[in-house]
Amino acid sequence: KAGVTQTPRYLIKTRGQQVTLSCSPISGHRSVSWYQQTPGQGLQFLFEYFSETQRNKGNFPGRFSGRQFSNSRSEMNVSTLELGDSALYLCASSRQGDHEQYFGPGTRLTVT
Amino acid sequence: DAKTTQPPSMDCAEGRAANLPCNHSTISGNEYVYWYRQIHSQGPQYIIHGLKNNETNEMASLIITEDRKSSTLILPHATLRDTAVYYCIGLYRTASKLTFGTGTRLQVTL
Repeated sequence: KAGVTQTPRYLIKTRGQQVTLSCSPISGHRSVSWYQQTPGQGLQFLFEYFSETQRNKGNFPGRFSGRQFSNSRSEMNVSTLELGDSALYLCASSRQGDHEQYFGPGTRLTVT
Repeated sequence: DAKTTQPPSMDCAEGRAANLPCNHSTISGNEYVYWYRQIHSQGPQYIIHGLKNNETNEMASLIITEDRKSSTLILPHATLRDTAVYYCIGLYRTASKLTFGTGTRLQVTL
């Protein structure tokens, strides 16, 4: 079956702009989580959505937001981009009750 | 979630078993031990998980000490493709928020 897909794979933005990243989970998976990975902070949890509701939130400023649609696809938005937002953004999906999270390849965002 | 401690790096010869240790002395009775790995520039990949008993799947074996304060991930016959960062995570069964530490960078060599 198809894995988790993320678009775009690479993105370059300038400071102050906003960006929207997209994640399509594996078919049948209703939980979608987002993570940020940077060399300095490692892999950090951003938020989790289940059935269009945010279920968990990490310790990130309000500039980071997300949403989930009725087909379980999810988007995350970062407003007023800062240089420190340059990172690999990973999306993971899972089925309710399953132990495994399946990660996508990530979107590499560069802010200049 | 339990705090985990792993060595920053390890080397292993191809074809030999790779034994990756993890200390999770603060783990609670309801927390599972999960292992994920991340091959360079890819998303993390689930390997295995366990609660009390040792577990084995097609990728690896997980040995958990009786007091549950530590565990070892065993890759029985490491290959070059197993070179990756390995993360040990303590997590409640119903939680999906993975808290990654710094992991162990495993380098498999010829």
